[in-house]
Amino acid sequence: ELKVEQNPLFLSMQEGKNYTIYCNYSTTSDRLYWYRQDPGKSLESLFVLLSNGAVKQEGRLMASLDTKARLSTLHITAAVHDLSATYFCAVGGSTDKLIFGTGTRLQVFP
Amino acid sequence: NAGVTQTPKFQVLKTGQSMTLQCAQDMNHNSMYWYRQDPGMGLRLIYYSASEGTTDKGEVPNGYNVSRLNKREFSLRLESAAPSQTSVYFCASGFGRGINNSPLHFGNGTRLTVT
Repeated sequence: ELKVEQNPLFLSMQEGKNYTIYCNYSTTSDRLYWYRQDPGKSLESLFVLLSNGAVKQEGRLMASLDTKARLSTLHITAAVHDLSATYFCAVGGSTDKLIFGTGTRLQVFP
Repeated sequence: NAGVTQTPKFQVLKTGQSMTLQCAQDMNHNSMYWYRQDPGMGLRLIYYSASEGTTDKGEVPNGYNVSRLNKREFSLRLESAAPSQTSVYFCASGFGRGINNSPLHFGNGTRLTVT
C-alpha cells in the first residue's frame, strides 16, 4: 500500500534563509506532484516530476525527484513572506490513485 | 471555463442526516477524486473514478458512497452523517495516469459540519 510521509509538518523560517521540505514514499511510483495551498483556499499545482533525477524550478522554489531513494525535495531559496503557505506532495501509484502527504505549513517571518 | 465546480460551499448537518456533495468538471477529464482535509492530516483520498462507470476505494471510504453519473459529474453521498465526518471535502479531476500525467485540478471545497 502506498504511503507518503512529509516532513517537517511545520516550518517557521526567517526571510532570506534557505530550507528543504522532504517527501518520502513507500512503493514504486512514476509520478510525483507538489501543490501549494493558501489558508482557506484550494490547491494550486506547482511541479510535476515524472522521472528519476527530474528537477524543476520556479522562482525561489526548486523540486527534485530521486525514484531509487523514493524521495522528493522542495528547496526554498532566500525565503520571502509571499511563500508562506502549506505545501503538499502527492504520489501516484500503479493505478489512478493519488496519495497526498500530510503537508508542511511554512511560515516566513521578517 | 469553470474548471471543477463543487456544491454546496458550506453545509451543517445533524448526526444521522444524509446529504450528497456534487462535483462537476468541464475539462473533459477522465479521472475524478474525492478527498477530505482535516487539520494535521493532509488530504486523504475517499474514492476515485478512473473513468465513467468505474469507482474505487481510497484510503478512508467507510461511511461514504460515490456515483460517477457521467464523464463530467462525480457525487459523494453521506448516508448517515457522523461528527467524525466534519471536514473540508475537495473534489479533483485529471486526465489520468499515463495520459501526459498532468496534475489534478481542484474545486474550491465544501466545508461540512456535523453536530
